Amino acid sequence: GQQLNQSPQSMFIQEGEDVSMNCTSSSIFNTWLWYKQDPGEGPVLLIALYKAGELTSNGRLTAQFGITRKDSFLNISASIPSDVGIYCCYSGGGADGLTFGKGTHLIIQP
Amino acid sequence: DTEVTQTPKHLVMGMTNKKSLKCEQHMGHRAMYWYKQKAKKPPELMFVYSYEKLSINESVPSRFSPECPNSSLLNLHLHALQPEDSALYLCASSQGQGGRGSETQYFGPGTRLLVL
Repeated sequence: GQQLNQSPQSMFIQEGEDVSMNCTSSSIFNTWLWYKQDPGEGPVLLIALYKAGELTSNGRLTAQFGITRKDSFLNISASIPSDVGIYCCYSGGGADGLTFGKGTHLIIQP
Repeated sequence: DTEVTQTPKHLVMGMTNKKSLKCEQHMGHRAMYWYKQKAKKPPELMFVYSYEKLSINESVPSRFSPECPNSSLLNLHLHALQPEDSALYLCASSQGQGGRGSETQYFGPGTRLLVL
């Protein structure tokens, strides 16, 4: 299927720093989902967004559904070593499956 | 409970073998999905079952045969696979009944398949 534009592709940060990543699309979507996927494992749902403008938090994670319905961002505050992994945005859903970004690879340097 | 389970976790098979991957969820979800994921790539949708009926087959070769025995179980039968079929196979489920959040998919841990 089509893909979302996710950036950055990778991030090298120090432990304790804040992280921000985003996804954009040329199409309008009704749902934005953020997952984390470790190598060889299935994606784990972090935050689900269902309404334009919606801002949702899950612990140190915060995500927003853009007003135009064509973008979303994910912020991680005060990163810790276990935050390492690949963060993926997914959108759309339903019987046609999901449209997805290529992922942001987060690497935390001690 | 938002758990989707998959077995086996790892599978090695020859090109003449027949094997099956299993997926189970007890969230009352009515839509279930199979995805194939190669390393460093996003998942590729293979099949979608809605209310235990196959609703989408994304032009997957016939050596992959899905089966949905009941609303909680989803199988993927494998026969005469090729080495290029080696990948992580992910199962997912969603409410599939309309309304807010009905399309949010919950993924299983995957089966890592190696075809020799």
